Amino acid sequence: DADVTQTPRNRITKTGKRIMLECSQTKGHDRMYWYRQDPGLGLRLIYYSFDVKDINKGEISDGYSVSRQAQAKFSLSLESAIPNQTALYFCATQTSGRRDTQYFGPGTRLTVL
Amino acid sequence: DAKTTQPNSMESNEEEPVHLPCNHSTISGTDYIHWYRQLPSQGPEYVIHGLTSNVNNRMASLAIAEDRKSSTLILHRATLRDAAVYYCILSRGGSQGNLIFGKGTKLSVKP
Repeated sequence: DADVTQTPRNRITKTGKRIMLECSQTKGHDRMYWYRQDPGLGLRLIYYSFDVKDINKGEISDGYSVSRQAQAKFSLSLESAIPNQTALYFCATQTSGRRDTQYFGPGTRLTVL
Repeated sequence: DAKTTQPNSMESNEEEPVHLPCNHSTISGTDYIHWYRQLPSQGPEYVIHGLTSNVNNRMASLAIAEDRKSSTLILHRATLRDAAVYYCILSRGGSQGNLIFGKGTKLSVKP
């Protein structure tokens, strides 16, 4: 089984709908991240969490919210989806520290019509 | 934020070595140099990282310039499965810990 899982893997929705993307990990890592990737570009940070009670905004948090339900679960919500939120979304985990590896999930492809 | 500069694309022949360059002239003394790669339709995966000394692992080698303003990822024998986008990333100091991705280098491997 994969260490970092994301559900759903693909989602098509309409403008104005509320969408939740979920991430679960079995690695026991404290840190979790949500990134967004647009075609031909690198990943950009949306939100990150260092533990259940520590949630922080990243570079592009507007229009998104998150919930860290447990150490192993970190959800990303789009309260009212808009077409320019169409992208590939990745969740990642990390132990701690700048030297430590991040482990990425397989991604969720979201299309907002 | 410290930035990295990589060529947009590179080509290699199968079973030949590949040297992927990265410039990071504004690197700070405590920034680690990380390399990740992203295979088609997958999330990024860790390749290697280092601080000052050259590093080797089963996937690749990392050569870091003495002044740390550039580095090179070395794939000793490219395979078709190495075709991917390779990202050179400087880990941020302070509390964030996130990776700042550029556009990376798209590596094509020809049989």
